[in-house]
Amino acid sequence: ETGVTQTPRHLVMGMTNKKSLKCEQHLGHNAMYWYKQSAKKPLELMFVYSLEERVENNSVPSRFSPECPNSSHLFLHLHTLQPEDSALYLCASSQGGATGKLANTEAFFGQGTRLTVV
Amino acid sequence: AQSVAQPEDQVNVAEGNPLTVKCTYSVSGNPYLFWYVQYPNRGLQFLLKYITGDNLVKGSYGFEAEFNKSQTSFHLKKPSALVSDSALYFCAVRDIDNYGQNFVFGPGTRLSVLP
Repeated sequence: ETGVTQTPRHLVMGMTNKKSLKCEQHLGHNAMYWYKQSAKKPLELMFVYSLEERVENNSVPSRFSPECPNSSHLFLHLHTLQPEDSALYLCASSQGGATGKLANTEAFFGQGTRLTVV
Repeated sequence: AQSVAQPEDQVNVAEGNPLTVKCTYSVSGNPYLFWYVQYPNRGLQFLLKYITGDNLVKGSYGFEAEFNKSQTSFHLKKPSALVSDSALYFCAVRDIDNYGQNFVFGPGTRLSVLP
C-alpha cells in the first residue's frame, strides 16, 4: 500500500455511459495528478491539482472532467468515451509548492483503474 | 521544457548478472531525478531519487543509480539481478520551472531477467 487508493480497479463502460474514477490519498500531500497509460505509449499527464486548484490541463478532451473537492480526494468523471480511451488510469499525489519548494519529493501512485470502453 | 529519454525499450539479463537501465534527461535548471518500477496491472512504485550530493544514490531492493551531470544521465543499476526484478522501469524528472508540480516520465524500459 502506498497511501493512494483508487476505485474501482477495473471498469467496463459503453460509449454512452457516464462513470467516475475515484482517488484518495492519506499522505497529507497537497498536489494530485491523473495520468493515462496506454499500451506502447509513455505515461501521459492529464491533470494536476495543487491546493485543490487545477494547474495543468494537457489538452485533454472534454469527455474527461476532473474534480478535486479537497486535498485528499480526486475524481475523474467520464462521459461519451471512445474505445481509444481504454487504458490504465493512474492517480498520484506529492508534496509541491507554488515556489518550487519540496519539488525534491517523490510522487506516490495508486494501483490504477483499468478502463475498457466498449 | 524538460524531457527524459530511455534509449532501450527492452533489456534482457541473466539472473545473477549485473543490470543497467539507461536514462538521459534534459532540464533547464537543476534536475530532480527519480526511478520507478511498475509490475503488471499495478501503479508505479518509487525506487530512488537524486536531489543533490553524492552522485551514487542507493534505493530500494538493492537498486542504485549514478548521476552524471556532464552526460546528463541517470542510469539505474543493480549488481546482481533477480528474476523478480523483471518489470517495467521508468525514469522521471521533476519540472521545477512549473511551480515544482509536474513529473515528466520517460517511455519506460522493460527489464527481463532470465533464470
